[in-house]
Amino acid sequence: DIQMTQSPSTLSASVGDRVTITCRASQTISNWLAWYQLKPGKAPKLLIYKASTLESGVPSRFSGSGSGTEFTLTISSLQPDDFATYSCQQYYSYRTFGLGTKVEIK
Amino acid sequence: QVQLQESGPGLVKPSETLSLTCTVLGGSINSDYWSWIRQPPGKGLEWIGYSYYSGRTDYNPSLRSRVSISVDTSKNQFSLKVRSVTAADTAVYYCAKGGDEFHDGQLRPGAFDNWGRGTLVTVSS
Repeated sequence: DIQMTQSPSTLSASVGDRVTITCRASQTISNWLAWYQLKPGKAPKLLIYKASTLESGVPSRFSGSGSGTEFTLTISSLQPDDFATYSCQQYYSYRTFGLGTKVEIK
Repeated sequence: QVQLQESGPGLVKPSETLSLTCTVLGGSINSDYWSWIRQPPGKGLEWIGYSYYSGRTDYNPSLRSRVSISVDTSKNQFSLKVRSVTAADTAVYYCAKGGDEFHDGQLRPGAFDNWGRGTLVTVSS
């Protein structure tokens, strides 16, 4: 099984802050990585796929980078709607998710 | 924009079979692949499995012996069955859609680009 380790588990930030979330795979996954935004009671939303490709309709303040085992999701300027939980997912071999990073208001 | 809608019982007894259906609205199920994912209370997301519209399937090895996913193209729906449930199967269950992606010369099932809102299923007597 490929394990996905996300850090931090919780992040306190203010509107306008630059935010970076890290995801590490237990073995190389090339660029078979996606990032999702989760909010209670709402459908999860795909933000990034292929590690760095922005899904259609997602604001450009979101960006992804990395390859192999180390990946990051960056929000360049945090907006009120961005307070949520973010989860990475590998789809190189089967599918596994990270435990999530909750971005909360500072 | 395709919308996905989960439906099914919110309460299932231990040892019984959990059955859920996902209805695909605003699009056809005759393309892409269709998946189920769950999130137990206080835990991360867990992929259960997927089925292509053609019937080709793949499952999480940890659940393979107890789950099955099928597609009904005539109803534009796909379904999940989990047999012999226990309290550990209590979770919010999501249905999701994915398409194929091309990476490094390979075309394979990609990320989940469309999800339902999820439905809570509790396993309890």
